Amino acid sequence: GQSLEQPSEVTAVEGAIVQINCTYQTSGFYGLSWYQQHDGGAPTFLSYNGLDGLEETGRFSSFLSRSDSYGYLLLQELQMKDSASYFCAVPRGDLFFGTGTRLTVIP
Amino acid sequence: DTGVSQNPRHKITKRGQNVTFRCDPISEHNRLYWYRQTLGQGPEFLTYFQNEAQLEKSRLLSDRFSAERPKGSFSTLEIQRTEQGDSAMYLCASSLAGGGGNTIYFGEGSWLTVV
Repeated sequence: GQSLEQPSEVTAVEGAIVQINCTYQTSGFYGLSWYQQHDGGAPTFLSYNGLDGLEETGRFSSFLSRSDSYGYLLLQELQMKDSASYFCAVPRGDLFFGTGTRLTVIP
Repeated sequence: DTGVSQNPRHKITKRGQNVTFRCDPISEHNRLYWYRQTLGQGPEFLTYFQNEAQLEKSRLLSDRFSAERPKGSFSTLEIQRTEQGDSAMYLCASSLAGGGGNTIYFGEGSWLTVV
């Protein structure tokens, strides 16, 4: 079977840094993706890690450690608009999603 | 707009009725996916096509569900004899096969409410 574990909720202050963790158990692992979804909206792609290490895209970074079956999404300089659900996902033909982490940014 | 387009965006139907959703993918994408999502959950895979071939179906896709992608372009998802448990958002997505990171692009979804 396959599983992706994320914290269900995270709260952080505007301007701060927050890390959302994802641990996985999959067969045939190819990489880890991250998607953002605002309430009522569609999931949108944020980043992908095919190799170990850190990928940076503006305020967002994502990290992967294959040996630890672990990754995280790092959001810096949090803004109110970052309040959303964040999903890690693994490709397997389709894309298998975790249950998501709801991030609430407070003033 | 060159993104993934879905319609209708909202559908309310009575239990037992049939409903059909349409998805128009990004034009150059050869893969098309259907997912279902309920509140507080991640998207759950239903099925996907590469061109016109349906390559995989989830066990979630009961015999009341059928998806087609004639000519490898748009796709339809039909739910027959709807049940209240079918109430969810149905998401369509598309991608290029073997694309870097298997990045898939989602439509805005079709909300189904079965009453």
